[in-house]
Amino acid sequence: EAGVTQFPSHSVIEKGQTVTLRCDPISGHDNLYWYRRVMGKEIKFLLHFVKESKQDESGMPNNRFLAERTGGTYSTLKVQPAELEDSGVYFCASSQNLPGSTDTQYFGPGTRLTVL
Amino acid sequence: GNSVTQMEGPVTLSEEAFLTINCTYTATGYPSLFWYVQYPGEGLQLLLKATKADDKGSNKGFEATYRKETTSFHLEKGSVQVSDSAVYFCALTGGTYKYIFGTGTRLKVLA
Repeated sequence: EAGVTQFPSHSVIEKGQTVTLRCDPISGHDNLYWYRRVMGKEIKFLLHFVKESKQDESGMPNNRFLAERTGGTYSTLKVQPAELEDSGVYFCASSQNLPGSTDTQYFGPGTRLTVL
Repeated sequence: GNSVTQMEGPVTLSEEAFLTINCTYTATGYPSLFWYVQYPGEGLQLLLKATKADDKGSNKGFEATYRKETTSFHLEKGSVQVSDSAVYFCALTGGTYKYIFGTGTRLKVLA
C-alpha cells in the first residue's frame, strides 16, 4: 500500500512569489491534515479535511494560505504571496475514516519550503 | 492548553549505549501519547503509542510508559544502533484529532 506522498520535496522561491504544495493521502483515508515545522521548532497543526470539507482550519497562520481538497482526494496548500517566515517543512498526514483522539495519523515525507 | 516538552538535542551516543529521551506533557483529561521518528530523507513514522495510564508502548526495541502521576512518556532503548540515528518527536492528542508535538530530539549514534 502506497503511503502519503508530497510534492515537491523541496521548493525555493523568492518573497512575494506563489507556491503550491501537493499531498496525496493513503487511498481510502477520508481525513487529511496539514502541519508545519518552522526552524527546528515543534510541528504545528494547520488544518484538517474530512473528505472535501474543511473540518478545522484554526491553525492556518493567515489569509495568505489557502488549502483545498477537490473531490476529497489529493490536497493542495497554496501560499500567496510567500513571506520569509513561511519557510519551513510542511507535512501532510492522513488517517482512516474514524477520527478520534487515538486515531493514528500517517505522515508524508514533507515539503521543505525556503523563501528568500 | 495542551503542550509537550521534550529534551533538547542533539543527543550523541555510542553504539550499544542506553537511550533515554525525556518527554513530559500538559493536558486536560486523558490524552493519547505517541512517539514518531523521522529518519533522514523520510517522513514521520509512528514508532509507538499508548492510550491510557500505565500502558507501555513498544516497537523495534524502543519502549515508553504512560505515567499519569508524573505526566511523562519517556522513550527508552537498551542498546542503540547506528541505524537509530534520526529525529524523535513526542506527541499527544488531547481528545481531538489534532496532534500536539514537542520540538523533536535529534539522536546521533556513532559506530
